[in-house]
Amino acid sequence: GAGVSQSPSNKVTEKGKDVELRCDPISGHTALYWYRQSLGQGLEFLIYFQGNSAPDKSGLPSDRFSAERTGGSVSTLTIQRTQQEDSAVYLCASSLYGGVNEKLFFGSGTQLSVL
Amino acid sequence: QKEVEQNSGPLSVPEGAIASLNCTYSDRGSQSFFWYRQYSGKSPELIMFIYSNGDKEDGRFTAQLNKASQYVSLLIRDSQPSDSATYLCAVTGWGKLIFGQGTELSVKP
Repeated sequence: GAGVSQSPSNKVTEKGKDVELRCDPISGHTALYWYRQSLGQGLEFLIYFQGNSAPDKSGLPSDRFSAERTGGSVSTLTIQRTQQEDSAVYLCASSLYGGVNEKLFFGSGTQLSVL
Repeated sequence: QKEVEQNSGPLSVPEGAIASLNCTYSDRGSQSFFWYRQYSGKSPELIMFIYSNGDKEDGRFTAQLNKASQYVSLLIRDSQPSDSATYLCAVTGWGKLIFGQGTELSVKP
């Protein structure tokens, strides 16, 4: 695709429910990143994929959070038993090779609201 | 100590002035430094990157890096109201890109 696509753009859920957030990176980009941005805060790193592998999961806040990537393309971030503190914008980004000097291309994010 | 620190602002400058945005980082091994701009409600976009000590200029933007002091800055000359946004400093550290909390810039006409 022309850019990084995320869906849904907005998600309102009740506390305790599970949610799935989807990211479709730029075609051909091997690296994919998930960040979380709370209101008025910077970007908090969650997880990084190189191909289908996740060499760095260090940012996942708890075991309620998981992510997978299939076919070296689409990624899904799953939050189980959502809590109010999970409310944030979840941003996905991709880069061509995953090199530390590379520019990240961001999607428009998913605004998650947990009531 | 946060890995990447920025003043949250808001930083307010008059139109036409120089805006100076600062960032410090804790990982001495960091090699790459980025400035992203984020308009309200939008996703971040890259505006500058710098790898070597010194200055790097691109139009009205100048990035400055001092690895000895673990300090990187962004200067915006002839600031315009359209420059009003949050500026995020990002540093490669521990194998990943780490963002600061951002500095909100407001350019007043």
